[in-house]
Amino acid sequence: QKEVEQNSGPLSVPEGAIASLNCTYSDRGSQSFFWYRQYSGKSPELIMSIYSNGDKEDGRFTAQLNKASQYVSLLIRDSQPSDSATYLCAVRRSAGTALIFGKGTTLSVSS
Amino acid sequence: GAVVSQHPSRVICKSGTSVKIECRSLDFQATTMFWYRQFPKQSLMLMATSNEGSKATYEQGVEKDKFLINHASLTLSTLTVTSAHPEDSSFYICSARVIGGGSSYEQYFGPGTRLTVT
Repeated sequence: QKEVEQNSGPLSVPEGAIASLNCTYSDRGSQSFFWYRQYSGKSPELIMSIYSNGDKEDGRFTAQLNKASQYVSLLIRDSQPSDSATYLCAVRRSAGTALIFGKGTTLSVSS
Repeated sequence: GAVVSQHPSRVICKSGTSVKIECRSLDFQATTMFWYRQFPKQSLMLMATSNEGSKATYEQGVEKDKFLINHASLTLSTLTVTSAHPEDSSFYICSARVIGGGSSYEQYFGPGTRLTVT
């Protein structure tokens, strides 16, 4: 089982809709969770971090964490064409400090 | 804040030569930097963790004699790909650890270096 798993997509949503991205992880002791956005040919940029169970909102983005289910999600409200990118879920190992990434979900927002 | 730079952004080299990639934290000190590699349509794969003033810790399957990492100062880490081969062609990305409150922290990424070995 891979450490961090994501549906590779592509996920296609119309402009203005809610995009829902999901991620599961295998290390039950993981404490820190992150969502990065990556445009083609560019390096990842941090969107959100979440450390506690529940929801965390930042503008149009909401991260959700359920440690019991080992599940992290990202909701993007009022999706825009500029949100079209690959979204990477990352988890910090409990025993170390490096982030481990999922394969990413490609999101396409059509206008 | 938390800006990480990499140089060069792109490099083309011949098979058998060595290439050095620099990673700098511009507005903060980074005691720990990480090196990742990303092949097309793949995720970022951690290669090694670099701590200032000590030897890097390599991930399983990464040849430490081929990928030399030096972290001589709190703002600079270098990755040297020795005797490069076409299969080393990839997108190399460094990341620096920014320490936040308590034990949490975030990693910020450099813009990446596209290496092509011909």
